Amino acid sequence: DQQVKQNSPSLSVQEGRISILNCDYTNSMFDYFLWYKKYPAEGPTFLISISSIKDKNEDGRFTVFLNKSAKHLSLHIVPSQPGDSAVYFCAAREGSGYSTLTFGKGTMLLVSP
Amino acid sequence: SQTIHQWPATLVQPVGSPLSLECTVEGTSNPNLYWYRQAAGRGLQLLFYSVGIGQISSEVPQNLSASRPQDRQFILSSKKLLLSDSGFYLCALPRGGKAFFGQGTRLTVV
Repeated sequence: DQQVKQNSPSLSVQEGRISILNCDYTNSMFDYFLWYKKYPAEGPTFLISISSIKDKNEDGRFTVFLNKSAKHLSLHIVPSQPGDSAVYFCAAREGSGYSTLTFGKGTMLLVSP
Repeated sequence: SQTIHQWPATLVQPVGSPLSLECTVEGTSNPNLYWYRQAAGRGLQLLFYSVGIGQISSEVPQNLSASRPQDRQFILSSKKLLLSDSGFYLCALPRGGKAFFGQGTRLTVV
């Protein structure tokens, strides 16, 4: 039972263009959402997050959008750079800050020069 | 600052052999600690979490076990490895509502 779904296993984008990574969730109790970036042979690193009381959060080239009614969030990277090539995981949490995160399967982003 | 140490970075083990992966943390006391596994096509799956010494909760039934012998030490073990235990194992520490991960151990069971 996948509560957090990333239906695109991979995405290819040209440098300078926009990358859009999508994530859907089924648990309506999730109230905090995060994106992690992972390079091969390294641990994931936190990228950006959004609380359910917001519909948008922006940090430099990265913007996360949340559509609660659709139970959908997306990560936009503009402009995309070759160094952004990595696996991106969507994660969600319900309740307190010490509750565990539920991760999606990840989307591998390849940004070509 | 808080840091997470995991070793070894890579490991190749035969089927049926035992396993011990260690995670230690610095810069914090009495942390919650987590073991995740990234397996092919499975994303990041939570295996175990621990809220203190000797306290382990298992999220999924499996061939693995975990122990918390010291406040800042979290160990993942198996008595007999299976091929399906191959994957990338990550220790994590919650902080500010987020999870911070160690560098991970790539385990290949052959």
